Amino acid sequence: EAGVTQSPTHLIKTRGQQATLRCSPISGHTSVYWYQQALGLGLQFLLWYDEGEERNRGNFPPRFSGRQFPNYSSELNVNALELEDSALYLCASSPGTGSSYNEQFFGPGTRLTVL
Amino acid sequence: AQSVTQPDIHITVSEGASLELRCNYSYGATPYLFWYVQSPGQGLQLLLKYFSGDTLVQGIKGFEAEFKRSQSSFNLRKPSVHWSDAAEYFCALHNTNAGKSTFGDGTTLTVKP
Repeated sequence: EAGVTQSPTHLIKTRGQQATLRCSPISGHTSVYWYQQALGLGLQFLLWYDEGEERNRGNFPPRFSGRQFPNYSSELNVNALELEDSALYLCASSPGTGSSYNEQFFGPGTRLTVL
Repeated sequence: AQSVTQPDIHITVSEGASLELRCNYSYGATPYLFWYVQSPGQGLQLLLKYFSGDTLVQGIKGFEAEFKRSQSSFNLRKPSVHWSDAAEYFCALHNTNAGKSTFGDGTTLTVKP
């Protein structure tokens, strides 16, 4: 069974540009989560999508947004990039039902560098 | 509010020695707790999880953790560390209703030969 996949692996942008990160969940999983891991700031919750809807977002400005598609894959968009957006962005998925609902399976991450 | 604290930023142990990584949490309901390991530049690999039931949980790679509600702790242990265990370890608490996990700041493990 394929795990959570993320693309691209690395992304280099300049300040003010937009970045788009993609995530494909494990087959059968309906929930997708996004986390930011920035140097010195630890792992911070960004967004939670379930069944195509945004269910919750962390303490991030509105220029961080995303969506979940009908096939449950997800996209994270970061507009007006700032230097401090440089981080590893991790996507996770979960089944969305049952006891294993709480277990998140993480992808390898996208390393975003803002110059 | 929920929080997770890993008191030790960095731990160094000799290969073959035992290991204990500490994790304390604050949460108003039954916690769903996890330990993850991360190698440099990589994603998170789940070591073990606690949902309910037996307070001593076994994980992969010979790791175990004990949930102690009275101490709000979920410490990770391994009886004999291998050089390949060198990595960063994260304790996390998942809030089902909010759909988010709160992570500790991580503990970096160095293994001496």
